[in-house]
Amino acid sequence: EIVMTQSPATLSVSPGERATLSCRASQSVSSNLAWYQQKPGQAPRLLIYGASTRATGIPARFSGSGSGTEFTLTISSLQSEDFAVYYCQQYNNWPPRTFGQGTKLEIK
Amino acid sequence: EVQLVESGGGLVQPGGSLRLSCAASGFTFSSYEMNWVRQAPGKGLEWVSYISSSGSTIYYADSVKGRFTISRDNAKNSLYLQMNSLRAEDTAVYYCARDLVIAAAGDYWGQGTLVTVSS
Repeated sequence: EIVMTQSPATLSVSPGERATLSCRASQSVSSNLAWYQQKPGQAPRLLIYGASTRATGIPARFSGSGSGTEFTLTISSLQSEDFAVYYCQQYNNWPPRTFGQGTKLEIK
Repeated sequence: EVQLVESGGGLVQPGGSLRLSCAASGFTFSSYEMNWVRQAPGKGLEWVSYISSSGSTIYYADSVKGRFTISRDNAKNSLYLQMNSLRAEDTAVYYCARDLVIAAAGDYWGQGTLVTVSS
């Protein structure tokens, strides 16, 4: 099973600033990686798939990069609605599909 | 508009059974692969099970293998999860999620249904 590790666990950033979230895979997942956003009491929302392709309707301030074992989600200028928990998920070698433990993005 | 609506959650005793349903609308259900994903209270996301568009291919997480059964009825635009021999650690919000056509990532999710296993 591929283990996904996200860092940091919590990230404090001011609105308007850039946020950089990391995700590491225990072995190569090529570019088969997705990012999700989850707000309290809501279902996850797909942001990025294929490591760098934005899902339908996702603002351009969200960008994904990386391949192999190291991935990054960047939010270029944080809006109030961006403060949430973010998860990465690999789908290169499954089952099982595996998620990271999440990064909580909070207002500084 | 794509909609996924789960139902069937509730309180059940350890060892009991429950059947979750997910009603799909707004898209051609029979063309899409589907999944169940769960989230224990205050915890992260855990993939539970997958079913192909025709139902011919099915996968489970090891944690539920032999206890849970995923199925679908394309004529009724519905996805199911039969959960038997439930344990306290199965307590979670259960989401159904539709896969993208081109990637094994969930592009639409239901609102979730809470399953609580407790005596």
